[in-house]
Amino acid sequence: DTGVSQDPRHKITKRGQNVTFRCDPISEHNRLYWYRQTLGQGPEFLTYFQNEAQLEKSRLLSDRFSAERPKGSFSTLEIQRTEQGDSAMYLCASSSPGYTFGSGTRLTVV
Amino acid sequence: QQQVKQSPQSLIVQKGGISIINCAYENTAFDYFPWYQQFPGKGPALLIAIRPDVSEKKEGRFTISFNKSAKQFSLHIMDSQPGDSATYFCAASTMGTSGSRLTFGEGTQLTVNP
Repeated sequence: DTGVSQDPRHKITKRGQNVTFRCDPISEHNRLYWYRQTLGQGPEFLTYFQNEAQLEKSRLLSDRFSAERPKGSFSTLEIQRTEQGDSAMYLCASSSPGYTFGSGTRLTVV
Repeated sequence: QQQVKQSPQSLIVQKGGISIINCAYENTAFDYFPWYQQFPGKGPALLIAIRPDVSEKKEGRFTISFNKSAKQFSLHIMDSQPGDSATYFCAASTMGTSGSRLTFGEGTQLTVNP
């Protein structure tokens, strides 16, 4: 499979716990994006990497959120001290420049 | 600030009919307008896209119509099929800046009845 891979597909966590998601982009794509999608809404931009550099962050990305892309390959998105409002689908996409989205990680905070 | 507004929220069409979804944008700097199709449990998949230098683009049964002066664009699905039942999102971006981040509409849930 040469698409964008996300892991895990589903995550249920208790409020206050930390969670980390992983995204493996298409290997030749140098741009990587994270979006958040809540039920019945379109995806909302969170952050963007050009190779290993994080070039833009949305105001939606509070200080509880952190994203990394070491060596410009895979990326991780960590949410600390999760809140119920963090429950959403977290989508990763890579581009060069056309977008390919992964299937997402659905987070449920209970 | 909602920069891309999409309508209708839901649409029911009979097999063989035409599905039409509309979007309007505010930011005149947008220069790339894609449509995405999303099935439950999957990420959005690019369907068709247009740039503002053309007024229409057709790929198979899918056509984008673009009206730059009105800041509106629409997706037409001809000969709609039950397999087209999905959620459709319009989006917009400025390809030359900001890493081409996409701004999405709210989505239209399309149901095509057999």
